Amino acid sequence: DSGVTQTPKHLITATGQRVTLRCSPRSGDLSVYWYQQSLDQGLQFLIQYYNGEERAKGNILERFSAQQFPDLHSELNLSSLELGDSALYFCASSVDGLASSEQFFGPGTRLTVL
Amino acid sequence: GQQLNQSPQSMFIQEGEDVSMNCTSSSIFNTWLWYKQDPGEGPVLLIALYKAGELTSNGRLTAQFGITRKDSFLNISASIPSDVGIYFCAGLSGGSNYKLTFGKGTLLTVNP
Repeated sequence: DSGVTQTPKHLITATGQRVTLRCSPRSGDLSVYWYQQSLDQGLQFLIQYYNGEERAKGNILERFSAQQFPDLHSELNLSSLELGDSALYFCASSVDGLASSEQFFGPGTRLTVL
Repeated sequence: GQQLNQSPQSMFIQEGEDVSMNCTSSSIFNTWLWYKQDPGEGPVLLIALYKAGELTSNGRLTAQFGITRKDSFLNISASIPSDVGIYFCAGLSGGSNYKLTFGKGTLLTVNP
């Protein structure tokens, strides 16, 4: 158990819909990262937050957005969903958001878009 | 963008055998990381490498950061059934724009 929690574990929805994925970092960690894992693209970094502020952006689509709240939990919002958005979405956290700091991954949310 | 080529894609070995997998890139990385992912779980960090030429061990695992900073390998010695899983390499670029790039993974199956 990494200490990072993600909800829900599974999500099934239809094309065109909007969903919100939630992540709670390990106690004491200030930085949260979001990743997408799919069969064809592998694991891809989406976005990083540190203490409520966006720190870095990766391959995140404009239809996707995220935020980190004052209590440090984070939400990833996916809108106008397409079939290709079906994937595992992981959240990770680290203590200070530095590149050298270890990231701890949550168990993931499996999103299926029908 | 940056890409990591990880090989092999999959391996089937007998318990007790040694395993080797590697990653190469056309770009330079400042840090190489190796992760393991079990079914239904997120990746777990196995080894982190921060300097070119660095050789680091973690139990039966050994990893090296290539001199050119464009490659890394992971060796597992005397494999056991619980080594089964997907192993990912990841490279971290320096600078202000943080980006962790992952390889496609090596699926390891260990036959008891």
